[in-house]
Amino acid sequence: ETGVTQSPTHLIKTRGQQVTLRCSSQSGHNTVSWYQQALGQGPQFIFQYYREEENGRGNFPPRFSGLQFPNYSSELNVNALELDDSALYLCASSPLAGGATDTQYFGPGTRLTVL
Amino acid sequence: SQQGEEDPQALSIQEGENATMNCSYKTSINNLQWYRQNSGRGLVHLILIRSNEREKHSGRLRVTLDTSKKSSSLLITASRAADTASYFCATDSNYQLIWGAGTKLIIKP
Repeated sequence: ETGVTQSPTHLIKTRGQQVTLRCSSQSGHNTVSWYQQALGQGPQFIFQYYREEENGRGNFPPRFSGLQFPNYSSELNVNALELDDSALYLCASSPLAGGATDTQYFGPGTRLTVL
Repeated sequence: SQQGEEDPQALSIQEGENATMNCSYKTSINNLQWYRQNSGRGLVHLILIRSNEREKHSGRLRVTLDTSKKSSSLLITASRAADTASYFCATDSNYQLIWGAGTKLIIKP
C-alpha cells in the first residue's frame, strides 16, 4: 500500500462530456503527478503540481486541467471527452519538488471508458 | 513520446528461474527507475539507480546501469508466481518521468 488513493475506480462517460478524477496523496507529499496509460502502453505524463501550482506539463491539450489542494488532495479534469481518452489515469505523489528525481508513489488508478 | 524501450516485450519462465529484462533510453539522465504493475493497476516502485551508480541490489532484484550504452537491466532471481506482472523502466526528464512500454513477465508454476 502506497497511501495514495484515487476515486472513482471505474467510470463510463460519453463523448463530449466532462469528467473529474480525484486523488489523495500521502501526507507530507507536496508534489503530485498525473499520468494517462492506454492499454498495453506505458504511462504518459500529463502534468505535475507542486504546492498547488502547475510546474510541468506533458503533451496534452488544455482540455486536460488540474487542481491541487492544501490537504494533499488533487483533481484531474477532462473536458469535451474523446474516445481516445479511454485509459487508466494514475496519480503519483512524491515528497520533493520536481518528482521525477525521486521515488513516486502511485495510486491504484481510475479506469475511464468513453463511449 | 516514450524514451525507454524495454526488451523483451514478453517473457515466460518457470518458477525458480531468473528473469532478465532490459531497458534502453535515448537522452542523458539523472536517474532511472524500475516499477512493477499488476493487472493494469497502480505502479509499485522497485528500485531507483542514479546516473553515477553502476549496480544496485534490493532483495531478489539486481539493477545495472550503463550510461555509455544508455541501457539498464533488471534481474529477478529465483522467480515466484507473485512476480507475474508488467515491468517498466522510467527515466527522468526535467520534472517528469518518461516510460517505456514495459515487459510482461509470466512465471509458470
